[in-house]
Amino acid sequence: GAGVSQSPSNKVTEKGKDVELRCDPISGHTALYWYRQSLGQGLEFLIYFQGNSAPDKSGLPSDRFSAERTGGSVSTLTIQRTQQEDSAVYLCASSRSYTETQYFGPGTRLLVL
Amino acid sequence: GENVEQHPSTLSVQEGDSAVIKCTYSDSASNYFPWYKQELGKRPQLIIDIRSNVGEKKDQRIAVTLNKTAKHFSLHITETQPEDSAVYFCAAIYQGGSEKLVFGKGTKLTVNP
Repeated sequence: GAGVSQSPSNKVTEKGKDVELRCDPISGHTALYWYRQSLGQGLEFLIYFQGNSAPDKSGLPSDRFSAERTGGSVSTLTIQRTQQEDSAVYLCASSRSYTETQYFGPGTRLLVL
Repeated sequence: GENVEQHPSTLSVQEGDSAVIKCTYSDSASNYFPWYKQELGKRPQLIIDIRSNVGEKKDQRIAVTLNKTAKHFSLHITETQPEDSAVYFCAAIYQGGSEKLVFGKGTKLTVNP
């Protein structure tokens, strides 16, 4: 079946602009995760959804970052007033439940000029 | 909560040699340990996993061992090939609890031809 998809695959924006990243999880997966990966670095956890609720937002770096999930499916990660340090690959993953194997999307490469 | 340490951070081997990556975890209740491989510019992909009711699992050239007493688990790659070059992430979780999967910081493996 279809895997996790993300859009856009690449995004270049100017400092101060808002961006919205989208994640389409595997059908039937109730858990959805957002990670950030800077060049050559590990996986930085941002937020996790169980259904439409976000029990763990502990990884969001600042109040410029927010995420939502509707209908227990698609999720969007919004970064307001982007800064250069926001440049990274943003990865989404989903799993059947929050304790099971996570499957990753291809990521969105964000470059803030 | 769980904490996962991964070593080494970089590993360079000659083609045909074996490679071993080690991870330790802090929560003795953790019972599921997946390994992900991330090739340059691509998404992390699950390559092998092990549950706490077994001590070793093998899939062709890849094997994972688990020592519950010492709270560590290792990835073994035999007869390494250049296409094994990637970043490898270990992770741990207690399936049935309320915590999310916790990742190690990754090991960059380079297989020299």
